[in-house]
Amino acid sequence: GAGVSQSPSNKVTEKGKDVELRCDPISGHTALYWYRQSLGQGLEFLIYFQGNSAPDKSGLPSDRFSAERTGGSVSTLTIQRTQQEDSAVYLCASSPYLTPEQFFGPGTRLTVL
Amino acid sequence: SQQGEEDPQALSIQEGENATMNCSYKTSINNLQWYRQNSGRGLVHLILIRSNEREKHSGRLRVTLDTSKKSSSLLITASRAADTASYFCATALRGSGGGADGLTFGKGTHLIIQP
Repeated sequence: GAGVSQSPSNKVTEKGKDVELRCDPISGHTALYWYRQSLGQGLEFLIYFQGNSAPDKSGLPSDRFSAERTGGSVSTLTIQRTQQEDSAVYLCASSPYLTPEQFFGPGTRLTVL
Repeated sequence: SQQGEEDPQALSIQEGENATMNCSYKTSINNLQWYRQNSGRGLVHLILIRSNEREKHSGRLRVTLDTSKKSSSLLITASRAADTASYFCATALRGSGGGADGLTFGKGTHLIIQP
């Protein structure tokens, strides 16, 4: 079956603009996660969804970051008023209910000029 | 802060040799996972070891876990050029949970297999 997909694969934006990153998890996976990876910070957890609710938003770095998940499936990560330090690869992962192993998408490389 | 810390940061070996990477973590865990990443994009789950296990094998992979030292090692035997990648250990953010949870990753070991 299809794996986790993310779009766009690359996004270049100007400082101050808003961006939306999309994640399509594996069908039937109830848990969905967002991470970001940058040279300076490594892999950082951002937010975790179980179904449509987000029991853990602890990793969101500022109130410019938000995420939603609808229909227990697709998720969108929105970054408002982007800053240069937001440049990173944003990774999405999903997992079946109560399963710790995560399946990752290919990521979206965000560059803020 | 990073929960897991791998060492070495980089490792270069000849094809056919064995590669060993180590990981240390700070809090109690229910399980520890290892992931591989090629070309800085998506991660692939390799193996999970539970806190009540000391060793686990999967193909050419062997993972050990020492909860008293809060450390784990990943051994890749008979390495191949295709094993060139970055390897990360990961533990659950909430440590004690056994199900779905956000993960905290170490900085990774970049492994290069020389043909």
